[in-house]
Amino acid sequence: GAGVSQSPRYKVAKRGQDVALRCDPISGHVSLFWYQQALGQGPEFLTYFQNEAQLDKSGLPSDRFFAERPEGSVSTLKIQRTQQEDSAVYLCASFTGSSYNEQFFGPGTRLTVL
Amino acid sequence: GQNIDQPTEMTATEGAIVQINCTYQTSGFNGLFWYQQHAGEAPTFLSYNVLDGLEEKGRFSSFLSRSKGYSYLLLKELQMKDSASYLCAVRDTGGFKTIFGAGTRLFVKA
Repeated sequence: GAGVSQSPRYKVAKRGQDVALRCDPISGHVSLFWYQQALGQGPEFLTYFQNEAQLDKSGLPSDRFFAERPEGSVSTLKIQRTQQEDSAVYLCASFTGSSYNEQFFGPGTRLTVL
Repeated sequence: GQNIDQPTEMTATEGAIVQINCTYQTSGFNGLFWYQQHAGEAPTFLSYNVLDGLEEKGRFSSFLSRSKGYSYLLLKELQMKDSASYLCAVRDTGGFKTIFGAGTRLFVKA
């Protein structure tokens, strides 16, 4: 596609539910990031993939958060047993992998946990 | 530790020039980015600096001093549509992990 797409755009979950957020990166982009952005804050790094390999997951806030990219393209961020503090916008970004290139961000998924 | 500081808010007048500062202390450095983010939208790339000095791109310029851990974004001939948050971000070495500041909300008034 022309850009990074994410689905759903909005998700409301009851506390304790599991959610799955999807990211379709730009075709050919080997690198993919997930970020969490709270209201009025900058994006916070969660995890990074190069192709299907998850090279850095140091930003995942707890073991309830899990990300995968099994075929090196589409990625899914899963949050188990959601808590109210998980409410945020989850941004996905992709880039070609060269040291210069900027990341292209998707529109984000706004997650609200009630 | 990782720390990126930028002012929370700034106000400027249409047609004027504004400078948004960013200071950083990070464990590694492999380039500094500036992104623009309108409310409710995704960040979009503005500039990238990896060497000291000034990079100019149209109405936007970005400066970097690695020894001082300092950068600024300069916006000239401000327009109302420039009202947005401006995010300073540092890419770590040894990978592509990128740390973002909290952003500076710029309000452009007529």
